[in-house]
Amino acid sequence: DADVTQTPRNRITKTGKRIMLECSQTKGHDRMYWYRQDPGLGLRLIYYSFDVKDINKGEISDGYSVSRQAQAKFSLSLESAIPNQTALYFCATSDPSENLEQFFGPGTRLTVL
Amino acid sequence: GQNIDQPTEMTATEGAIVQINCTYQTSGFNGLFWYQQHAGEAPTFLSYNVLDGLEEKGRFSSFLSRSKGYSYLLLKELQMKDSASYLCAVLNDYKLSFGAGTTVTVRA
Repeated sequence: DADVTQTPRNRITKTGKRIMLECSQTKGHDRMYWYRQDPGLGLRLIYYSFDVKDINKGEISDGYSVSRQAQAKFSLSLESAIPNQTALYFCATSDPSENLEQFFGPGTRLTVL
Repeated sequence: GQNIDQPTEMTATEGAIVQINCTYQTSGFNGLFWYQQHAGEAPTFLSYNVLDGLEEKGRFSSFLSRSKGYSYLLLKELQMKDSASYLCAVLNDYKLSFGAGTTVTVRA
């Protein structure tokens, strides 16, 4: 089984809808991250969390919110989706004992019409 | 702010060597990562440099010069399966900032 899983893998929605993307991990890592990837722009950090009680904004947090329900779960919400939030979204985890290497989930392809 | 530059595309022949350069200007530095990403898939870890010099791991090597804000990833004995995007990422305050990625195409 994969260490970092994301649901759904693909989603098409309409402008104005609320969307939640979920991430679960079995690696036992405290640190979790949400990124979006757009062609030509690379991966950009949306939010990150270093433990259950810690939530921090990344470089592009506007229009997004997160919830860290447990050490293993980190959800990303789009309260009112807009077309320029169409992107590939990745969740990642890391731990200081593993050289801070980030382990990525398989990604969620989100299309907002 | 973070500025990480790498070439957009490179093409090479199977069996050849390709060097992907990455230059960075960041507010802090705790290390530099290289990731490989096949189209539509998750990035996977290739290498991590925190000290100056060359790290070799099989067909892949990575070099870092902190004073020059420069790294390169060297791919030897290229195989068709090496066709992918290669991402340079700088670690600062436990957060990664990524370059836009270099798409490498390996031709037979």
